Parts: sequence; structure tokens; C-alpha cells
Amino acid sequence: DAKTTQPTSMDCAEGRAANLPCNHSTISGNEYVYWYRQIHSQGPQYIIHGLKNNETNEMASLIITEDRKSSTLILPHATLRDTAVYYCISNFGNEKLTFGTGTRLTIIP
Amino acid sequence: GAVVSQHPSRVICKSGTSVKIECRSLDFQATTMFWYRQFPKQSLMLMATSNEGSKATYEQGVEKDKFLINHASLTLSTLTVTSAHPEDSSFYICSAEKAGTDTQYFGPGTRLTVL
Repeated sequence: DAKTTQPTSMDCAEGRAANLPCNHSTISGNEYVYWYRQIHSQGPQYIIHGLKNNETNEMASLIITEDRKSSTLILPHATLRDTAVYYCISNFGNEKLTFGTGTRLTIIP
Repeated sequence: GAVVSQHPSRVICKSGTSVKIECRSLDFQATTMFWYRQFPKQSLMLMATSNEGSKATYEQGVEKDKFLINHASLTLSTLTVTSAHPEDSSFYICSAEKAGTDTQYFGPGTRLTVL
């Protein structure tokens, strides 16, 4: 799996868009970018994943740069329940996930 | 949906006893399930990969005789911590890969405390 780097922590005001960056400069052509989040004392929750194109679902949007070396997860209207550790993982699919330290996102009332 | 359950959610046991944790995919089939462990303030660490009907593949440093994994069906995998010791106290989390997709879905975790 290509290594990903994320900021250790971020704050975002409630109701605003939360933009979480991730660098994956060594990602290979067939590796996906996955995003999971973990709320305290719970199992990780799948958010979204993509390969080349930008993706959107009911939870978030994923913007992948054209060179695929970085991506941004966007939570369009952050709520207090979005406070969690967010993990960006590159993976070929059908294989184990390697979790880094993630970004601790705190939503400020 | 893609729901994964774990049972029990919390268990306390005495040192030397064995504990079994169940992981079930409730609304999908999973040919592959994964078991992770998470210590306080740390990230998830993969312990083993479990494929239905075959032996589990363990990560380096994980004792296969201590952490017994059985994946008897497409919806159930079990992890048995044998002869548990206080240092085995941790948060154990399973994930299941939904057949036909490239996505893993995680259970809510089991908190094990060994006294």
C-alpha cells in the first residue's frame, strides 16, 4: 500500500464545510483512495472511496487531483457528530487496510 | 446496507481463561474477514485475514495458537483469545469485505479486559 500523510488534527466550525487533505504521492495506478472515520470507542465507518474520478455520496465528497498524488475529503455541512478520527488509506481493494494515525477532526459549536 | 455486528461488545475475564468473539455480516456475504486490535490512543493494527473455509493468514508477530480464528461461513468469523493475559486487554474489531465490492465494513468492536 502506498503511504499516505494527513494532518494530525483540524478544527471546523459547525455548519461549515470540513475539508480534510491527504497526500499519497507514491500511489500506483490501480490503487484506490479510501476514507474511513472512527468515532471514539466505535469501529471505523466507511465513508467513500475513489480511483480517479471525484466521487460523492450521502456522507461526503472525494476530490482526487488529476495526478492522483493527493485528495480531499469534504463534509459539506459539518455537525458535532462528525467529530472523529478520519483515515485516508490507499489500497488495491480486496486486501488488508493499513491504518495510519489519521486526522483528528473536531467540530466546534 | 452493509452491517457488521460483533458479540459480545464488552467482556471481562480472568487471566488464563479463553474468550470467543463473534463477527457477523448481517446483510451481505463476506468471503474475507479481517481482525484488528487497537490499544488506547493508537491506530488499528491488523492481526489476521480470514477467508471462508480456509486457514487464516496472520500478521507478523501475532501468535496463531493464541488467537484462533475460524471462518466457517460466509457471514460468520470467530476470534478466540486463548489463555488470556492482562496484556491482551484491548479493543478488538473485525471487518468484512462485501462480496463483489472492494470495500470493507467494520463491526462496532469488542472491548476485552483481562484481570
